[in-house]
Amino acid sequence: EVQLMESGGGLVQPGGSLRLSCAASGFSFSYYWMSWVRQAPGKGLEYMATIKEDGSEKYYVDSVQGRFTISRDNAKNSLYLQMDSLRAEDTAVYYCARDSGYLHWGQGTLVTVSS
Amino acid sequence: DIVMTQSPDSLAVSLGERATINCKSSQSVFYSSKNKNYLAWYQQKPGQPPKLLFYWASTRESGVPDRFSGSGSGTDFTLTISSLQAEDVAVYYCQQYYLTPHNFGQGTKLEIK
Repeated sequence: EVQLMESGGGLVQPGGSLRLSCAASGFSFSYYWMSWVRQAPGKGLEYMATIKEDGSEKYYVDSVQGRFTISRDNAKNSLYLQMDSLRAEDTAVYYCARDSGYLHWGQGTLVTVSS
Repeated sequence: DIVMTQSPDSLAVSLGERATINCKSSQSVFYSSKNKNYLAWYQQKPGQPPKLLFYWASTRESGVPDRFSGSGSGTDFTLTISSLQAEDVAVYYCQQYYLTPHNFGQGTKLEIK
C-alpha cells in the first residue's frame, strides 16, 4: 500500500522559509516521479512541482519558479520542498504525491504564511 | 498549458439517482501510439486528501465501488455515479497528465438534493 507522510508545515512570516518533507513507503520510491500539489483554503488543486525518478528533471509552476526547490533522497525514500520568499498566497495544504501521471496522495501538511 | 474545464460547478442529486460530471480539455489528451487517454478523476471529501477514482479515463482504481464509471475520449470526459449514496458527497476533480503541468479542473461539488 502506498503511504506518504508529509511534515514540516506550520506558521511562517511573509518572506520566510520552510522545508517540507515527505516520507514514502509501500512502493519502490526510486522508480517513480514524485510531485507536490497544493490547495489553498476553500480552493481547488494546483499541480506545483514534480521531479523525475533520479532527480535529473524538475518542473515548477510559474508562481513558485525561483522560490521553491523540489528535491529527493532515494536512499531515504524521501521527497522535499524547500520554500523561500514565502508570500501570503502560498498559504495552502501541501500534498506529496506519487506521480504515475495519475496521483496517489499523502495526507497533506498545512502551511500558513502570515504576520 | 492544457486547460481543464468541469461542468457543472455544483450539482445536487437525490439519493439513488444518477449524477453526471463533465470534464473538457482544451486539447486532446489521447495518446494514439498508446491508445490511452491521459485523464484521471479524483474524489475529495471534506478534510481529506483527494482519492484516485479513475486513471486512463476509465480504469477504476482498486476499491472504488462499481456505481462509479468513467468514460470519454479525446477532449470530452464524464464521471457518472449510477445511484448516488450519501457517502458520495464530495468535490470531484478531473486531471490531465498528457502534458506538464498536469492541470486539474476547477472541481465539481456534489451534494444531496
